[in-house]
Amino acid sequence: GDSVTQTEGLVTLTEGLPVMLNCTYQSTYSPFLFWYVQHLNEAPKLLLKSFTDNKRPEHQGFHATLHKSSSSFHLQKSSAQLSDSALYYCAWGSGSWQLIFGSGTQLTVMP
Amino acid sequence: DPKIIQKPKYLVAVTGSEKILICEQYLGHNAMYWYRQSAKKPLEFMFSYSYQKLMDNQTASSRFQPQSSKKNHLDLQITALKPDDSATYFCASSPRWFSAETLYFGSGTRLTVL
Repeated sequence: GDSVTQTEGLVTLTEGLPVMLNCTYQSTYSPFLFWYVQHLNEAPKLLLKSFTDNKRPEHQGFHATLHKSSSSFHLQKSSAQLSDSALYYCAWGSGSWQLIFGSGTQLTVMP
Repeated sequence: DPKIIQKPKYLVAVTGSEKILICEQYLGHNAMYWYRQSAKKPLEFMFSYSYQKLMDNQTASSRFQPQSSKKNHLDLQITALKPDDSATYFCASSPRWFSAETLYFGSGTRLTVL
């Protein structure tokens, strides 16, 4: 069935190193894909989404590219900051008009 | 100022009791949702409403009943509470009921069932 998969539950890295969080999807439709970020004890909020006028979506230094050939929408940032520590969700807008969230990746950035 | 208000922020209940979680949004959105977040199932979709009509229900149990008295209100009544219902319940809204829309979340109600 249609789904979105985040393979890493936990990612720990040192400040200044690049970040890549994986997201793959399985869908019979051309999906809408999103990254949401949730900081500790806060509500999830949109980080970026896949369909911004064919431009690569970017926000707060993060970017993601939708690759239909590999069914992926990985989140990347060139240099991690301490404030990037949070829970990141890849989400998929299904053909049934329902936003489905992946299992989430907890990113911890160490000094 | 928060645009989506959820009350209460914390809630403790005993097994078998009934509680109502309140949600009001002041974003002028036409669609509202409930999601549940627990250690077992992060951000699990529960319900979606559009113009006060139930559009989608992914909750297996009838113990969970959404209630929409106004377009910008979507409360969640939970009856016969169980310890497994312990979770943070997030209300969300979007301009339209459509999977391409951005969801805006409230700050959540953390429910603990003893």
